[in-house]
Amino acid sequence: QQQVKQSPQSLIVQKGGISIINCAYENTAFDYFPWYQQFPGKGPALLIAIRPDVSEKKEGRFTISFNKSAKQFSLHIMDSQPGDSATYFCAASIINYGQNFVFGPGTRLSVLP
Amino acid sequence: NAGVTQTPKFRVLKTGQSMTLLCAQDMNHEYMYWYRQDPGMGLRLIHYSVGEGTTAKGEVPDGYNVSRLKKQNFLLGLESAAPSQTSVYFCASSLWTSGRARDTQYFGPGTRLTVL
Repeated sequence: QQQVKQSPQSLIVQKGGISIINCAYENTAFDYFPWYQQFPGKGPALLIAIRPDVSEKKEGRFTISFNKSAKQFSLHIMDSQPGDSATYFCAASIINYGQNFVFGPGTRLSVLP
Repeated sequence: NAGVTQTPKFRVLKTGQSMTLLCAQDMNHEYMYWYRQDPGMGLRLIHYSVGEGTTAKGEVPDGYNVSRLKKQNFLLGLESAAPSQTSVYFCASSLWTSGRARDTQYFGPGTRLTVL
């Protein structure tokens, strides 16, 4: 129940295209869903996050879509750029229990110029 | 403001050797975490601390010990290293304020450990 599944494992997109990464969870107690971006040789950094009281959150070219009934959420990167090439991790946690972050296995995104 | 720093950046150990990884944060965060990152497995929590002098086990604590003697530092120890502990280790910290979630975790740059 603590697992977060993530797909695809890797993704190749042309510059200007849309990148879509999907995650699914089982534990209905999760109520905070962040996405982290990690460049090679660096630590992950928070990209965007959503709470289940909304179905979508947009920040610039990055959008999270959230489907509470299906227990799924996804990251959409519009107008993908080569600089977006990185590994993306979805995660889930229970607010007020920060130690309960559970991360997906990651998606390696490559945006071709 | 350096954020979260980790020492060392790289280390090679022989099986059975011991070592300590140091994490330091200058953001006055209450919560600190140690993760390991392995290919295809994401980040897995080893141990965490909710404040100075407190520690707790995460998902994969076996073979590791931790200490939080000072608020700004979180140490991860390997008493007898094994090849299965070859990984990249990340430290993270987060802020807790009364009644609010510890939502954003700030990660260090990582320590790449190889156990031969």
